[in-house]
Amino acid sequence: NAGVMQNPRHLVRRRGQEARLRCSPMKGHSHVYWYRQLPEEGLKFMVYLQKENIIDESGMPKERFSAEFPKEGPSILRIQQVVRGDSAAYFCASSPYRTGQATQYFGPGTRLLVL
Amino acid sequence: DAKTTQPTSMDCAEGRAANLPCNHSTISGNEYVYWYRQIHSQGPQYIIHGLKNNETNEMASLIITEDRKSSTLILPHATLRDTAVYYCIVPLGDSGGSNYKLTFGKGTLLTVNP
Repeated sequence: NAGVMQNPRHLVRRRGQEARLRCSPMKGHSHVYWYRQLPEEGLKFMVYLQKENIIDESGMPKERFSAEFPKEGPSILRIQQVVRGDSAAYFCASSPYRTGQATQYFGPGTRLLVL
Repeated sequence: DAKTTQPTSMDCAEGRAANLPCNHSTISGNEYVYWYRQIHSQGPQYIIHGLKNNETNEMASLIITEDRKSSTLILPHATLRDTAVYYCIVPLGDSGGSNYKLTFGKGTLLTVNP
């Protein structure tokens, strides 16, 4: 059973460009979570999605950031007009249950570098 | 939301048990304690969780005090590959009681020495 997959693993963007990060949850998992880890800091919750629904986006910056989890295909975290402060590791996690959702399985992350 | 406190770092000899403490004195009666670890440059890995009874799985054991104000994660026979940052987490969630927000603080850097 393949784990959570994220791509790309590394992404370099210039200021003002768009970044698209993809996450394929584990098979059978319908809950997806995105976290951001700034350099030398712990992971911070960004958003929780189920298929075609955003459940909680309380950790997401109000501007330039958006996330989706369509009926078909991977979850996408989109960052428009990137700035240097967006440089971080972005982790996706998935879980199968409506309850017990704190048991999350993480992907390897996407390292975003904004030049 | 319960805050957790962990030592910044610990050392352990390979093959010995590693005991990682965590204080969560403000935990409420229905909140679970979760443990994750993050090996350098990798995604976090779930280890174990518990409410009030001691728990054991193939990775570790979790001992929770009777008053639930602290817990200890035990790796019975630490290996070099167990070197990682270990996080003790009491998840946050929505008002419906579904706790999914994992807040990763500083954690404990466990270094297993040969």
